[in-house]
Amino acid sequence: DTGVSQDPRHKITKRGQNVTFRCDPISEHNRLYWYRQTLGQGPEFLTYFQNEAQLEKSRLLSDRFSAERPKGSFSTLEIQRTEQGDSAMYLCASSLEDTQYFGPGTRLTVL
Amino acid sequence: GESVGLHLPTLSVQEGDNSIINCAYSNSASDYFIWYKQESGKGPQFIIDIRSNMDKRQGQRVTVLLNKTVKHLSLQIAATQPGDSAVYFCAENRQGNEKLTFGTGTRLTIIP
Repeated sequence: DTGVSQDPRHKITKRGQNVTFRCDPISEHNRLYWYRQTLGQGPEFLTYFQNEAQLEKSRLLSDRFSAERPKGSFSTLEIQRTEQGDSAMYLCASSLEDTQYFGPGTRLTVL
Repeated sequence: GESVGLHLPTLSVQEGDNSIINCAYSNSASDYFIWYKQESGKGPQFIIDIRSNMDKRQGQRVTVLLNKTVKHLSLQIAATQPGDSAVYFCAENRQGNEKLTFGTGTRLTIIP
């Protein structure tokens, strides 16, 4: 158990709906990352926070995606107007230095 | 473009034998490398890491070798056990760039 938790673990939604995922990092970690993983592929970087500041965003993060980390602790990832192509595992990771520790992920299925 | 790739998508090994999983990277600026293990339905689990100023690093039953000349990374697992069955990813980044770049993974199957 790495200590990173994510909620929910599974989400099924209809196309066009909005969804929000939560990540709670390891308590002393100031860096938090979101990745997306599709079947058979490695995780792809989406965005990164240091404390409450969002410092980097991937081109994969379209305008429908938004991430926040308001108090520098937990983070949320919201997807608006979901599309079938958004179906994937959304992974959160946290770190204090270089090593990133991952949570169990939230599997999103868009019907 | 930058990529981290794996030579073999699948690997089957007899229980008790040693496993070697290989990974090639293309970015010569990469200076930090990590191996993760991912079991079905779970997030990637950190196994071992190595910096570019090292050639070898050992952990419990695992060894990572780095050959910067040919941009090659390998993970050796000694005396494999059924619990080692998983997909193994190598990942890399470089100082000043926080994102990890992952390869597509190698599925390791342990044959009883």
